[in-house]
Amino acid sequence: TQLLEQSPQFLSIQEGENLTVYCNSSSVFSSLQWYRQEPGEGPVLLVTVVTGGEVKKLKRLTFQFGDARKDSSLHITAAQPGDTGLYLCAGVVVSGNTGKLIFGQGTTLQVKP
Amino acid sequence: DTEVTQTPKHLVMGMTNKKSLKCEQHMGHRAMYWYKQKAKKPPELMFVYSYEKLSINESVPSRFSPECPNSSLLNLHLHALQPEDSALYLCASSQDRDRGLYEQFFGPGTRLTVL
Repeated sequence: TQLLEQSPQFLSIQEGENLTVYCNSSSVFSSLQWYRQEPGEGPVLLVTVVTGGEVKKLKRLTFQFGDARKDSSLHITAAQPGDTGLYLCAGVVVSGNTGKLIFGQGTTLQVKP
Repeated sequence: DTEVTQTPKHLVMGMTNKKSLKCEQHMGHRAMYWYKQKAKKPPELMFVYSYEKLSINESVPSRFSPECPNSSLLNLHLHALQPEDSALYLCASSQDRDRGLYEQFFGPGTRLTVL
């Protein structure tokens, strides 16, 4: 069974601080996705990382995929209250013609003004 | 149209009721998913339809019955639910096999309360 360990599970910080969320597995994933979910809404895809060692930036968010494609991190610089939400990492598992996501436990982020 | 829509937004039902949740997408995606999500937890996969055929059932109790009438629509029929089934039910779609990424577009969910 492929599992993704995500940490920390809860994070409460002040506006302007930096933070990093980690997603680790003992298994290799073909790709890994990061989603953000706000209360009362569905998750929204932020980024997909595919290549080992890949780094992608989305404004103040930086995503890294480990060289061995078993781990990933999300770094937020100068967090804003609008970054508040549930952050989910998800690894892709393919069976035949069907792909499904294996989610980490999620990180609930609260950014206080 | 890059949206997944779900109706209703909220649903309250008794344990003896029968109700249905509906999901629609017009992105031409050929894979559609049902998830159940409890507060501050990740979504739990329930069912996957690929090209209108049920391809994954994650051992979901039979009181949940999925249906895919066509490539744009996905229903979840509910019967004799339990209070512990109260949750946010999310629908998602993806362009199955597109570059092998299976990136998913989620709807806003149906907040279900079982009394």
